[in-house]
Amino acid sequence: EDQVTQSPEALRLQEGESSSLNCSYTVSGLRGLFWYRQDPGKGPEFLFTLYSAGEEKEKERLKATLTKKESFLHITAPKPEDSATYLCAVQPDYTGGFKTIFGAGTRLFVKA
Amino acid sequence: KAGVTQTPRYLIKTRGQQVTLSCSPISGHRSVSWYQQTPGQGLQFLFEYFSETQRNKGNFPGRFSGRQFSNSRSEMNVSTLELGDSALYLCASSLAGPGTGELFFGEGSRLTVL
Repeated sequence: EDQVTQSPEALRLQEGESSSLNCSYTVSGLRGLFWYRQDPGKGPEFLFTLYSAGEEKEKERLKATLTKKESFLHITAPKPEDSATYLCAVQPDYTGGFKTIFGAGTRLFVKA
Repeated sequence: KAGVTQTPRYLIKTRGQQVTLSCSPISGHRSVSWYQQTPGQGLQFLFEYFSETQRNKGNFPGRFSGRQFSNSRSEMNVSTLELGDSALYLCASSLAGPGTGELFFGEGSRLTVL
């Protein structure tokens, strides 16, 4: 069964304290792995797509990496405005469509 | 460029009633997906439509149904509402072409079942 597991469930950081969020996945064939950010009361917002092991993407203080079984979202020198829930998702390549399976998310709190 | 629009944003229903939620995708996007989000279960996939055809379906009972129109707008319907159907229902659209699987979400329809 396709599955996405994110850890930790919640992470509290001081402003400027770098850290990483983990996403481990089990899927028969991977079309793509995605990271989204979700603020309270809003829909998720797309951040990155990764397609193959070894690939990396960066955007401001965020950097996403991918291995064959895991993805990491590295947050460098976070600011309070980075506080949000970060969701990892995978798209299997066998469904013939674009079914996306989400993890439960990591709630990030950044204190000034 | 307008984003994904969902209506209504909030609604309250009682058990046994039915509800229809609407979603207008980003112009040019032909794939529309629906998700149920609850605090305990996270984002659960309901179904995906492309060119008026349901391509994928999640593990939800038959009370949950959907459809897509020729202009790519989509609706989902939940019949015989149960208390456990209270959730945020999110619609997402996608170009759904090679290398374009990212989803663009609306702000959701928050359903409360009393």
